[in-house]
Amino acid sequence: SQKIEQNSEALNIQEGKTATLTCNYTNYSPAYLQWYRQDPGRGPVFLLLIRENEKEKRKERLKVTFDTTLKQSLFHITASQPADSATYLCAPHSGGGADGLTFGKGTHLIIQP
Amino acid sequence: KAGVTQTPRYLIKTRGQQVTLSCSPISGHRSVSWYQQTPGQGLQFLFEYFSETQRNKGNFPGRFSGRQFSNSRSEMNVSTLELGDSALYLCASSQTPRDSSYNSPLHFGNGTRLTVT
Repeated sequence: SQKIEQNSEALNIQEGKTATLTCNYTNYSPAYLQWYRQDPGRGPVFLLLIRENEKEKRKERLKVTFDTTLKQSLFHITASQPADSATYLCAPHSGGGADGLTFGKGTHLIIQP
Repeated sequence: KAGVTQTPRYLIKTRGQQVTLSCSPISGHRSVSWYQQTPGQGLQFLFEYFSETQRNKGNFPGRFSGRQFSNSRSEMNVSTLELGDSALYLCASSQTPRDSSYNSPLHFGNGTRLTVT
């Protein structure tokens, strides 16, 4: 069955450093992969979408990579700030078919001042 | 543009009762998806509606149902509530449905927190 794995334990990073979050998937051939941020008590917010033919995508301090051979996406936040503390969710998708968008359980990121 | 609006924000119900949750999508968005979020299972897809038609359905029992109106607003209903239905129910809208070749991101509301006692 399809499986999405994200770091289950909280990730503690010192302010100013680069935070790197991992999303691994199995039994998937995603055409694209999305990353979302979720704060406590709120709905997820879309951050970035990367397609299978794109190796890397950037948006301000965010960078996402997508390695279809390793079946992995990495999400980087450079120059991290305490305001970046949140849970980050990845969602690979095949790009078609009848399935809804499936999310990993997320990684809780804590940026310590 | 106003975001996705979900009402009510909090709800407490008793086992066996039924509940209806409401979602107003972003103006111009015709696709509405519903998700259940619990600490143990994470975000789980319930169903998606596009132009008043259910396009996709997740692996949930028939007690969970939904509908979409001509103005794209959507409601979901849970009948015969069980304790395990306690969760955050999230609605998300997008311009296109999931099975479209152009996959627009989901825009989530802040959810309805349902507690079943």
